[in-house]
Amino acid sequence: SYELTQPPSVSVSPGQTARITCSGDALPKKYAYWYQQKSGQAPVLVIYEDSKRPSGIPERFSGSSSGTMATLTISGAQVEDEADYYCYSTDSSGNHRGVFGGGTKLTVL
Amino acid sequence: EVQLVESGGGLVQPGRSLRLSCAASGFTFDDYAMHWVRQAPGKGLEWVSGISWNSGSIGYADSVKGRFTISRDNAKNSLYLQMNSLRAEDTALYYCAKDGVYDFWSGGPDYWGQGTLVTVSS
Repeated sequence: SYELTQPPSVSVSPGQTARITCSGDALPKKYAYWYQQKSGQAPVLVIYEDSKRPSGIPERFSGSSSGTMATLTISGAQVEDEADYYCYSTDSSGNHRGVFGGGTKLTVL
Repeated sequence: EVQLVESGGGLVQPGRSLRLSCAASGFTFDDYAMHWVRQAPGKGLEWVSGISWNSGSIGYADSVKGRFTISRDNAKNSLYLQMNSLRAEDTALYYCAKDGVYDFWSGGPDYWGQGTLVTVSS
């Protein structure tokens, strides 16, 4: 079955740039979506269609995709950005299934 | 404002059934695909099922295929998940999520409800 792979954790100091990667064989053909989930809360979309930012999401959040890897970049990470981040995409094999990456715990301290 | 409100969760014995509902408002429901996503306690997000705007295309995760059935009633702005033959490993918070496009395999969730908790235990 199709899988998306993320690093379990990323740690940065406030003001530094955090990069979270997501790898998957179908990413050259399918968009990546990124979600932020803070403790006890529902996920929030922060990047859609690889690199687009929904209204209300700070400009420090950006996304890119190249080949089989998508990347979420938080430029000048803030303490309030500490959360779990998940990538999402769909299978390109015709199975019509969604899939989430395993999630990355971002620590900002 | 998009609102998604899940209901129907609770404690159920293994092997029994449960039906989840999601009431949608704040957008034109029949223009968009919808998803169910779950999160087991302390674990990551797991895509469960998706349905296109007109129910013409439906997909399931391997872990629930043959046991769960997704459906929608566009006249009632509602999404459903019928869960049969429940197992302990189905214990999770179940989220209803709206897609950004009409087909669930070409887009992704953009708005989420707060979830309803399903606990499968004897």
